[in-house]
Amino acid sequence: EPEVTQTPSHQVTQMGQEVILRCVPISNHLYFYWYRQILGQKVEFLVSFYNNEISEKSEIFDDQFSVERPDGSNFTLKIRSTKLEDSAMYFCASSETGGTGTGKNIQYFGAGTRLSVL
Amino acid sequence: EDKVVQSPLSLVVHEGDTVTLNCSYEVTNFRSLLWYKQEKKAPTFLFMLTSSGIEKKSGRLSSILDKKELSSILNITATQTGDSAIYLCAITLIYGGSQGNLIFGKGTKLSVKP
Repeated sequence: EPEVTQTPSHQVTQMGQEVILRCVPISNHLYFYWYRQILGQKVEFLVSFYNNEISEKSEIFDDQFSVERPDGSNFTLKIRSTKLEDSAMYFCASSETGGTGTGKNIQYFGAGTRLSVL
Repeated sequence: EDKVVQSPLSLVVHEGDTVTLNCSYEVTNFRSLLWYKQEKKAPTFLFMLTSSGIEKKSGRLSSILDKKELSSILNITATQTGDSAIYLCAITLIYGGSQGNLIFGKGTKLSVKP
């Protein structure tokens, strides 16, 4: 069964360093998302991406964050200068369509990257 | 303020019990409600509900949406230890034709004891 793949599973970095989290969405999916979950808290939306541009972003997704689809398969989240409070599990998700496409707009999640900022 | 509220936040039951998990939402431009199961890491999709009163079923799990009450329930019958997980409820909204991000509740942590 197709799945969303995320690497690495765990990333440890020093405060102020740049990190890139990688995702390979399901191959026929066109819409991509990043969410994060701080330990013990809700899963929160960061950004959605379609047709090589950001569709929506939350208040969390500030200038320190960027997303890119560098090739036909990868979707990346970059944090330019990590802070302690960026420590969280980051989930990538993808869906076949957006909008009201019945069943095809279901978002499927990867296993996540645990980011630890020291 | 929380737009999606789940209850209870945690629940401990014994194998064979039936459980009902609740999710309520408070938005005006509701489009759909989704249930996910989170074991260890990745949320895995269970159900998507868009119409009121139509039960969705998958094995021992079922769910129904009540748009009048702005809520949904997830039922699990004859629980097994493998049902132990955090069950997440999320909604999507109608606006501007965009695909709509998921707005999650805090989840219900279900523990099924042998």
